[in-house]
Amino acid sequence: GAGVSQSPSNKVTEKGKDVELRCDPISGHTALYWYRQSLGQGLEFLIYFQGNSAPDKSGLPSDRFSAERTGGSVSTLTIQRTQQEDSAVYLCASSLARSAAYGELFFGEGSRLTVL
Amino acid sequence: QKEVEQNSGPLSVPEGAIASLNCTYSDRGSQSFFWYRQYSGKSPELIMFIYSNGDKEDGRFTAQLNKASQYVSLLIRDSQPSDSATYLCAVNIGGDMRFGAGTRLTVKP
Repeated sequence: GAGVSQSPSNKVTEKGKDVELRCDPISGHTALYWYRQSLGQGLEFLIYFQGNSAPDKSGLPSDRFSAERTGGSVSTLTIQRTQQEDSAVYLCASSLARSAAYGELFFGEGSRLTVL
Repeated sequence: QKEVEQNSGPLSVPEGAIASLNCTYSDRGSQSFFWYRQYSGKSPELIMFIYSNGDKEDGRFTAQLNKASQYVSLLIRDSQPSDSATYLCAVNIGGDMRFGAGTRLTVKP
């Protein structure tokens, strides 16, 4: 596709369940980011992948959160034992620039997670 | 100190006025700076980027960067109601793109 694709667009789950959120970046984009946005808040950085380098996981809020990127393309964000405070929109973005310092981000439509 | 700081607003200006949005950042090594616009319920979209000190103009938008003061701003001239949105400042810090909390702008007809 032409843009960043995320799925599911909406996910309602019960507290304690695990969820997986998927991101398919723009073809050829080497950098991939995950952010979390709570209602009325800014973007909270979660994790950043650049090419084949080790990801920057410094933004992951707890060890219940993990992410992987297979083959340098599709990424999956996994939240284990979900809590109500995990409810938010999870945004994925990708960037073409190999020199990541100058990358412009293109965002997907987000996955809205609601934990009951 | 947060890495990227913005006034959360809301900022309200009349139609046709100049809207001024401000952002400061903490990392002197930051190399690139971005302004994103986010309409309610939508994803952020890039408006402008700036790498060098000074002003950069694109239509009704002007980005200003002062690295010595660690300050970046966005001016919107001839503001329109369609400019009403949240404006996010983003700073690339060693490859990580960090965002401010955003400033909510309302342009009143």
